[in-house]
Amino acid sequence: EPEVTQTPSHQVTQMGQEVILRCVPISNHLYFYWYRQILGQKVEFLVSFYNNEISEKSEIFDDQFSVERPDGSNFTLKIRSTKLEDSAMYFCASSRGFNYGYTFGSGTRLTVV
Amino acid sequence: GIQVEQSPPDLILQEGANSTLRCNFSDSVNNLQWFHQNPWGQLINLFYIPSGTKQNGRLSATTVATERYSLLYISSSQTTDSGVYFCAVIWGGATNKLIFGTGTLLAVQP
Repeated sequence: EPEVTQTPSHQVTQMGQEVILRCVPISNHLYFYWYRQILGQKVEFLVSFYNNEISEKSEIFDDQFSVERPDGSNFTLKIRSTKLEDSAMYFCASSRGFNYGYTFGSGTRLTVV
Repeated sequence: GIQVEQSPPDLILQEGANSTLRCNFSDSVNNLQWFHQNPWGQLINLFYIPSGTKQNGRLSATTVATERYSLLYISSSQTTDSGVYFCAVIWGGATNKLIFGTGTLLAVQP
């Protein structure tokens, strides 16, 4: 079964540093997403991406965050200057469209110290 | 916005028992999925089920969209079923973001 691949699985970074989280969505999927889950809390939507542009973003997704699809396979989430409260599990997901299910990656656990 | 509430919030079972998890949503939805988050944090897709009934092994799910709820049935539970179960919905026509429910934490004891 096709998978969404995320790297790295764990990352520890100093406060104020930039991090880039990487994802390889399923190849025939058109919609790409980032979600995050702070420990013990719900999974929260960050951003959706379609046709090489952001189609929707949440209030969490402020100017510190950006997404990019630099080539035909990768989808990245950049946090410019990390804060302690950015510590969370970050999930990438992809789907074929509105009437299809999402497939999530295994997540990147980000710890900001 | 739409509210997605799950019950019960916590559940402890003995291995071999059956259980029913419920997901209520406050408005019409276009998509509903059930996920299992295992102890390692991975989100495993169980069912894409905007309506009707599906079965996969010991698991089955039913969504009654007109009454705004979905049920996940786990039969003959195993310790590997432990984790958090989330339902998630897509609400409205102009968005395709999944909104997650509050989750049910399941612990299956040997």
